[in-house]
Amino acid sequence: GAVVSQHPSWVICKSGTSVKIECRSLDFQATTMFWYRQFPKQSLMLMATSNEGSKATYEQGVEKDKFLINHASLTLSTLTVTSAHPEDSSFYICSAAQGWGAGTGELFFGEGSRLTVL
Amino acid sequence: AQSVTQLGSHVSVSEGALVLLRCNYSSSVPPYLFWYVQYPNQGLQLLLKYTTGATLVKGINGFEAEFKKSETSFHLTKPSAHMSDAAEYFCAVRIYGNKLVFGAGTILRVKS
Repeated sequence: GAVVSQHPSWVICKSGTSVKIECRSLDFQATTMFWYRQFPKQSLMLMATSNEGSKATYEQGVEKDKFLINHASLTLSTLTVTSAHPEDSSFYICSAAQGWGAGTGELFFGEGSRLTVL
Repeated sequence: AQSVTQLGSHVSVSEGALVLLRCNYSSSVPPYLFWYVQYPNQGLQLLLKYTTGATLVKGINGFEAEFKKSETSFHLTKPSAHMSDAAEYFCAVRIYGNKLVFGAGTILRVKS
């Protein structure tokens, strides 16, 4: 299957700093990528839909100024957590759609990035 | 609105026993349904999916699921559990805008 790679896998930062997480589709082009957040022992919550060449679409309750998403190319989307605070500590997972528009596509998920804010 | 309910946050089976993870969904349109597996500190891996056609879907690692429209269910089964099956399993339904809504997850424990 298609490969989606996230970087970094682990990141620890100080409160008030910004952290960037990259999501790459390695062997296919993804016009749409999704960013999820997963709290410990909980399910994945969709944060936003990243669209190549346009603004991201955020889910209700997600601060777009806090979680900046950029999808500058067909293989790369980035999530920047700005002015991070301890409550932003979480596991962030991206996914990319291959063949989604055809109706039978599936999402491929990255390995996830664990953010710890001290 | 589409939603997913997974019955049982934890399921424990003995090695070699049947695995049954339950998933019920609600959807106002014909659903696309998915089962994913997540190992600790990793992303999600697709086990299987139902879009259209045959209601019994076979996936990787010996798992299968049956779409039952009358019961709005998409339960995941495996005839014989292996230690390596211990993980967390998520059922998901595709909603508008090509998004997925996930169930709360079921942690599968396999006892030796």
